[in-house]
Amino acid sequence: NAGVTQTPKFRILKIGQSMTLQCTQDMNHNYMYWYRQDPGMGLKLIYYSVGAGITDKGEVPNGYNVSRSTTEDFPLRLELAAPSQTSVYFCASSLLRGQGHHIQYFGAGTRLSVL
Amino acid sequence: GQQLNQSPQSMFIQEGEDVSMNCTSSSIFNTWLWYKQDPGEGPVLLIALYKAGELTSNGRLTAQFGITRKDSFLNISASIPSDVGIYFCAVLRSGAGSYQLTFGKGTKLSVIP
Repeated sequence: NAGVTQTPKFRILKIGQSMTLQCTQDMNHNYMYWYRQDPGMGLKLIYYSVGAGITDKGEVPNGYNVSRSTTEDFPLRLELAAPSQTSVYFCASSLLRGQGHHIQYFGAGTRLSVL
Repeated sequence: GQQLNQSPQSMFIQEGEDVSMNCTSSSIFNTWLWYKQDPGEGPVLLIALYKAGELTSNGRLTAQFGITRKDSFLNISASIPSDVGIYFCAVLRSGAGSYQLTFGKGTKLSVIP
């Protein structure tokens, strides 16, 4: 099992460019998440999905879009990159186990700089 | 939004020392989690706590779920260089069929050989 795989690992964008951060998991998990991590801060939830075709906003969704057409893939789209979106982005997935037991598995992250 | 207060922010310790860090919340949560993030990697779950008052160990790590359900602590005994990293507490929030984690800001641990 590869677990959660994120691509690319690093990317530099110019202001106003767009890009898609890819995330795929091979654990057949129904829940998937996108977080951003800024220096000295914890992880902030951007968007999440409880299954194919279903997505919802997290704490910091502005400037991002997501889609979930398959169980495995959960891409994150930046339409008009801004310097404030410079961050490390983590994708995670989880499978609800029992009542309220929910363990998230994280990818290695995508380091994005917007200049 | 809901905040978790994690302390200390950073620690420098000698190899072999014990470490203690904690996490508090103004709200009650029924699931508390501790994750570790190695440099350049994503967080990895260390310990999950599901019951108030529960004390759970994972090797040299011990975590407790506070009896009030508003706090948790993590202890690391006999620290080694590979314990270096950022430790995050997190709580599970659930409602309307969705489950989300809220993370603390992390405790950065440095171990001096």
